[in-house]
Amino acid sequence: GNSVTQMEGPVTLSEEAFLTINCTYTATGYPSLFWYVQYPGEGLQLLLKATKADDKGSNKGFEATYRKETTSFHLEKGSVQVSDSAVYFCALTSGGTSYGKLTFGQGTILTVHP
Amino acid sequence: KAGVTQTPRYLIKTRGQQVTLSCSPISGHRSVSWYQQTPGQGLQFLFEYFSETQRNKGNFPGRFSGRQFSNSRSEMNVSTLELGDSALYLCASSSTSSPNEQFFGPGTRLTVL
Repeated sequence: GNSVTQMEGPVTLSEEAFLTINCTYTATGYPSLFWYVQYPGEGLQLLLKATKADDKGSNKGFEATYRKETTSFHLEKGSVQVSDSAVYFCALTSGGTSYGKLTFGQGTILTVHP
Repeated sequence: KAGVTQTPRYLIKTRGQQVTLSCSPISGHRSVSWYQQTPGQGLQFLFEYFSETQRNKGNFPGRFSGRQFSNSRSEMNVSTLELGDSALYLCASSSTSSPNEQFFGPGTRLTVL
């Protein structure tokens, strides 16, 4: 079955530091990959996505590249802000008959200090 | 365009009771998925509905059920509540043109006492 593994958190950084959150996956077929962010008391927001190998998703300064050879989709940001403090989830869907089913990693808590 | 809405936002029930949660998808979206989020198990897929039909189901007991109406609004029902059902229940909707891109609601926080 499908699975997603994220680096253990929590991650604590100072403002303007470089961020990497590792994500690796196991999936059948050709999955689409996503990063979602959850702010306190809210639902999940789609941060970025990639639908095929070597695609780079990007949004709000965050980037992630779909690496099929290493089955990875690491999230990076060059300079984090306090407002980036949230929980980040890596997720995938295999499409096909996996209707509406996202498989999530366990989430990584990010705290950014001024 | 209005986002996904869920009602109620908070709910407190006692063991043995049943509960119904509601989800209104983004206008035009016909697929609705439900997830359970807990600190221990993380985010787990419950089921997905499209055009009033359940197309996919996760590994949850039969106490968890759902349905979808002709206007794509969906409800989720949990019968005979257990303490372990305390969780944030999230629904998400997607369009037929981008079926893999799900938009989430704010969730319903269910507490079972």
